[in-house]
Amino acid sequence: RKEVEQDPGPFNVPEGATVAFNCTYSNSASQSFFWYRQDCRKEPKLLMSVYSSGNEDGRFTAQLNRASQYISLLIRDSKLSDSATYLCVVMDSSYKLIFGSGTRLLVRP
Amino acid sequence: DGGITQSPKYLFRKEGQNVTLSCEQNLNHDAMYWYRQDPGQGLRLIYYSQIVNDFQKGDIAEGYSVSREKKESFPLTVTSAQKNPTAFYLCASIEGTPNTEAFFGQGTRLTVV
Repeated sequence: RKEVEQDPGPFNVPEGATVAFNCTYSNSASQSFFWYRQDCRKEPKLLMSVYSSGNEDGRFTAQLNRASQYISLLIRDSKLSDSATYLCVVMDSSYKLIFGSGTRLLVRP
Repeated sequence: DGGITQSPKYLFRKEGQNVTLSCEQNLNHDAMYWYRQDPGQGLRLIYYSQIVNDFQKGDIAEGYSVSREKKESFPLTVTSAQKNPTAFYLCASIEGTPNTEAFFGQGTRLTVV
């Protein structure tokens, strides 16, 4: 079983749609959780950290469920510029930083 | 400006040659990481280091070696034992506290011919 698993997609949605990505992790001792965005042939950039209480940043909402070892990202009112690959990232207590394989999002006009 | 620098951006090498990729950060970060990314794939962890003079193998360490003699530097050597070295290599660093962002270099594209 992979340490961090994501649906690879692609998710193909129209502008204005709401889309949700899910991610599961295997190490129950994991301590930090993030969503990164990666554009084609570029380095990943932090989208948001994920806290136990859940957090929101504009159109983006992240949730963490420690009991189910599950992380989610919700994007509302999708824009063309949201087209990218979204990477779920988990850090364990020894600072090992593991990336999921990414979920590709395509937003069409 | 603080940041993380990888060099070179593009690298070509002949099969059978060792090659060293540079990664330098001036963020005073404790932990540093090397990842490999193949086309259409996610990032796979090669090696990581929490502190100077210490490092751990990631999921795909075979055929690679690293050193961490200085806090700001974490070079990666791709040896001739790495069977399929052509890939995009990314270096990252993180402050040694939970929930802090990992910063990435711009990557090195290695092509072995």
